[in-house]
Amino acid sequence: RKEVEQDPGPFNVPEGATVAFNCTYSNSASQSFFWYRQDCRKEPKLLMSVYSSGNEDGRFTAQLNRASQYISLLIRDSKLSDSATYLCVARSYNTDKLIFGTGTRLQVFP
Amino acid sequence: EAQVTQNPRYLITVTGKKLTVTCSQNMNHEYMSWYRQDPGLGLRQIYYSMNVEVTDKGDVPEGYKVSRKEKRNFPLILESPSPNQTSLYFCASSTLAGGRDFLDNEQFFGPGTRLTVL
Repeated sequence: RKEVEQDPGPFNVPEGATVAFNCTYSNSASQSFFWYRQDCRKEPKLLMSVYSSGNEDGRFTAQLNRASQYISLLIRDSKLSDSATYLCVARSYNTDKLIFGTGTRLQVFP
Repeated sequence: EAQVTQNPRYLITVTGKKLTVTCSQNMNHEYMSWYRQDPGLGLRQIYYSMNVEVTDKGDVPEGYKVSRKEKRNFPLILESPSPNQTSLYFCASSTLAGGRDFLDNEQFFGPGTRLTVL
């Protein structure tokens, strides 16, 4: 089983829709979590960190459920420019590494 | 402009021909690392460096070498490339601020190097 698992998608949604991605992690020692965004053939860029109490940045909301070992990313009012692959990342406290998920692809259409 | 640069961006080579992919950052970051990205496997760390002359293996170091002679540069060396090293390679850097929690800092990635080994 992969340490960080994501549904690869693609999620095809119309502009203005709300879309949510989940990501599960298997290592309960995972300490910190992040969402990175990767455009096609480009480098990953940090979208947001995920805090225990949940956090929001504009149209983006990230949540963490430690009991069920998953994190989520909610995108409201989707824009065409949100089309990208979203990488879930966990930092393992006991191995001190960043573990990247394989990504969930989002395609927003007009 | 703060950035991580990699060269070359694209490379097609043949088995056994030594190559070097350069990585340079202008943010005075102590931490630098190399990843490879393959379909269905995500980003996997090859090597990392906490500072000049300090390097360590990541999860998939076999077939690769690195060096860190200067803070800004972290080249990736493939002494004898093989077809299974065909991949998309990313260099990344970050600050070590935060002590034990330095990996919570944003990782800045280079634009990637697409390598094909025939």
